[in-house]
Amino acid sequence: GENVEQHPSTLSVQEGDSAVIKCTYSDSASNYFPWYKQELGKRPQLIIDIRSNVGEKKDQRIAVTLNKTAKHFSLHITETQPEDSAVYFCAASRSFQKLVFGTGTRLLVSP
Amino acid sequence: DGGITQSPKYLFRKEGQNVTLSCEQNLNHDAMYWYRQDPGQGLRLIYYSQIVNDFQKGDIAEGYSVSREKKESFPLTVTSAQKNPTAFYLCASSPGQGPGELFFGEGSRLTVL
Repeated sequence: GENVEQHPSTLSVQEGDSAVIKCTYSDSASNYFPWYKQELGKRPQLIIDIRSNVGEKKDQRIAVTLNKTAKHFSLHITETQPEDSAVYFCAASRSFQKLVFGTGTRLLVSP
Repeated sequence: DGGITQSPKYLFRKEGQNVTLSCEQNLNHDAMYWYRQDPGQGLRLIYYSQIVNDFQKGDIAEGYSVSREKKESFPLTVTSAQKNPTAFYLCASSPGQGPGELFFGEGSRLTVL
């Protein structure tokens, strides 16, 4: 089955810096790659997703890149702000199959 | 107000007891999921259902059971056979039968005493 590895487990940056979180997946047939943000004490929420027919997708300060050959995808956050502090989860799945999540990255943005 | 409602938010159980966690959605979503969240282990899938009266085991189904008698409801029973049940449980739903955005409930924290 699918296995998703996520790095780093914790990431500390200064406000205004960029943050990058990386994930690798094992199933070459996976074609959907979402990223979820979970603030402390709250439910996970989708922040961006990408499908395998696209190499990059941006939404304001966040972007996701996908390298199908290497089977890895990354979340990029630019101009980080304290409210970006949260746990971020990547995930992967095939069409009509269940999502498999990474182990999460705790991002801390210091003012 | 549309969304997913989980109850109870906090639950304490003695060893050897079964407990049922409720999950209700009014989003008219076909698919529903139960995940378990433990520190450092991410979200692990317990069970999922893509349609009423049908469900499939996820990666860690042992010691759990579910039912899907109504589209809007997907209760999870944590049985006494689950060896390490203390965890945070998240219910989610999605519109279609394939992968897409998951809408999560606020979670239920189960503690076994």
